[in-house]
Amino acid sequence: GEDVEQSLFLSVREGDSSVINCTYTDSSSTYLYWYKQEPGAGLQLLTYIFSNMDMKQDQRLTVLLNKKDKHLSLRIADTQTGDSAIYFCAERSLLTGGGNKLTFGTGTQLKVEL
Amino acid sequence: DTEVTQTPKHLVMGMTNKKSLKCEQHMGHRAMYWYKQKAKKPPELMFVYSYEKLSINESVPSRFSPECPNSSLLNLHLHALQPEDSALYLCASSQDWTSGGAYEQYFGPGTRLTVT
Repeated sequence: GEDVEQSLFLSVREGDSSVINCTYTDSSSTYLYWYKQEPGAGLQLLTYIFSNMDMKQDQRLTVLLNKKDKHLSLRIADTQTGDSAIYFCAERSLLTGGGNKLTFGTGTQLKVEL
Repeated sequence: DTEVTQTPKHLVMGMTNKKSLKCEQHMGHRAMYWYKQKAKKPPELMFVYSYEKLSINESVPSRFSPECPNSSLLNLHLHALQPEDSALYLCASSQDWTSGGAYEQYFGPGTRLTVT
């Protein structure tokens, strides 16, 4: 099947904004998620957006959704060194037997420089 | 509290050993998941349990055997693994879709497994 695509690497200066992009595959996905993974750690849920929304803001995070183009983005305002991590987008599909399946993007390594 | 705990943090095992990974959550979630993650790659779904019943097995080799003894616990039994099975094994939990909502998955810190 098709992959959920993300650019591999992003480097920004501390204090600037970061924008991480994602192109997903399933136009019927009702929820889309952003996760953060620091080295050697599990995945931390950052935020999610429902498909009937164009935008969601949560403190320094802004999610934009373009359903027509199946494009999702995560903007981090005032990026800090602690934001350095790998960021994964994910689309969700429900399982008829219960639970749900997340299909993750390829991941974007964000590096924040002083 | 959105905590999922996993033990052990690190595990080194030989190809003839039998070991188990454990996962626990107390969020009242009725869906639990096992993922495998190789370095610099996204997590890959292995198993899904819903209400303690196996919902999906993503064609995982039989040397991995999941078990869900109750709604809070999820185990992954390992036997006769291969070196290529070395990876980070992540557990997650969520509400089940029957309860409505975003069903966001919360992940544990993972078990770093090395097969020698």
